[in-house]
Amino acid sequence: SQKIEQNSEALNIQEGKTATLTCNYTNYSPAYLQWYRQDPGRGPVFLLLIRENEKEKRKERLKVTFDTTLKQSLFHITASQPADSATYLCAYNAGNMFTFGGGTRLMVKP
Amino acid sequence: NAGVTQTPKFRVLKTGQSMTLLCAQDMNHEYMYWYRQDPGMGLRLIHYSVGEGTTAKGEVPDGYNVSRLKKQNFLLGLESAAPSQTSVYFCASRSQGTGELFFGEGSRLTVL
Repeated sequence: SQKIEQNSEALNIQEGKTATLTCNYTNYSPAYLQWYRQDPGRGPVFLLLIRENEKEKRKERLKVTFDTTLKQSLFHITASQPADSATYLCAYNAGNMFTFGGGTRLMVKP
Repeated sequence: NAGVTQTPKFRVLKTGQSMTLLCAQDMNHEYMYWYRQDPGMGLRLIHYSVGEGTTAKGEVPDGYNVSRLKKQNFLLGLESAAPSQTSVYFCASRSQGTGELFFGEGSRLTVL
């Protein structure tokens, strides 16, 4: 069955640097992948969606790539700020269902 | 615009008790979802609905029942709570246009 995996270890970076988070999936390429941000004690909030036929998507300081050959999506935050510290989740859709990765916690230190 | 509202936000139950979590959305979305989130397990889909009067099983449906009598409401029931159901429960609705999910703030349930 399809699985979606994210690095469970926290990512610690210095303010101003670019953070890169990885989302890997097995088997078939989903029609699209989504990225969400979750703060402690809150529900996830949608950030970006990238379709299978799109290589890259940008939104302000955020960039997402989708490599169907590597079966991987990369999520970048440029010029990172302490306020970017949160857990980031990727998700794919299989029909009407959405399956989430375990999330990667990002810590941006001033 | 409230978005997705979950009630209650916190609840403590004893083993064997029953309860219902209510999810309400005001965005006229057809699709609604119930997830549970546990440390190290991520979000796991319990049940979902593609429209009023319909429900379907997700990844971890055992021990839960759902109902979607009105388009704006999606109820999650626990008939006989077990300690393994201690978790944070999230409801979400889906925009047909953009595909994005809108989540509630979560309901933290503890079963003793």
